[in-house]
Amino acid sequence: DTEVTQTPKHLVMGMTNKKSLKCEQHMGHRAMYWYKQKAKKPPELMFVYSYEKLSINESVPSRFSPECPNSSLLNLHLHALQPEDSALYLCASSLTVQETQYFGPGTRLLVL
Amino acid sequence: AQSVSQHNHHVILSEAASLELGCNYSYGGTVNLFWYVQYPGQHLQLLLKYFSGDPLVKGIKGFEAEFIKSKFSFNLRKPSVQWSDTAEYFCAVNPYNQGGKLIFGQGTELSVKP
Repeated sequence: DTEVTQTPKHLVMGMTNKKSLKCEQHMGHRAMYWYKQKAKKPPELMFVYSYEKLSINESVPSRFSPECPNSSLLNLHLHALQPEDSALYLCASSLTVQETQYFGPGTRLLVL
Repeated sequence: AQSVSQHNHHVILSEAASLELGCNYSYGGTVNLFWYVQYPGQHLQLLLKYFSGDPLVKGIKGFEAEFIKSKFSFNLRKPSVQWSDTAEYFCAVNPYNQGGKLIFGQGTELSVKP
């Protein structure tokens, strides 16, 4: 089983709202990732968690705040987003950072 | 800077035609290599991967790829495409000791005409 689940599937939020995206995997993977994908573009890495510690932050604005409560869960807290933040947000996981990354279906976010 | 280059932005083929999608990367060290596919409205799925060993790797749905170290290339091939292969294809490189940074190419959109 190589399933990564993400909720919600779709999210519409205003620029003053606070919302959270959730990602879950039960494969025993110890690395988890957040990516942002615009239409017809490749995914762009945002954050990497390895063994529940933030190991990479790709200079992401502070209005995006990741959290890894345990080895199976990854959250992305959103606050005061801009319309240009509208995109598909993908979560991925891998056994370790060197192994194959498996992607979830994503959350399609629209910021109004 | 490390980068991945996919030669074709959009490829249009008829069913039963052969496919080859080019991928080159710029990184001098050891890398793990991947091809991912994104079907319309679906999430990224792994097609195949190369870590070590036989440079010719076989993936799902009849796809294969060949790693040529001297050319820093990892081209994707399929002898006979089907309409259902219509999708976006991404080549990706995971350099060793980069903490899991998966570097994607720009993607190739494949359209297969029935």
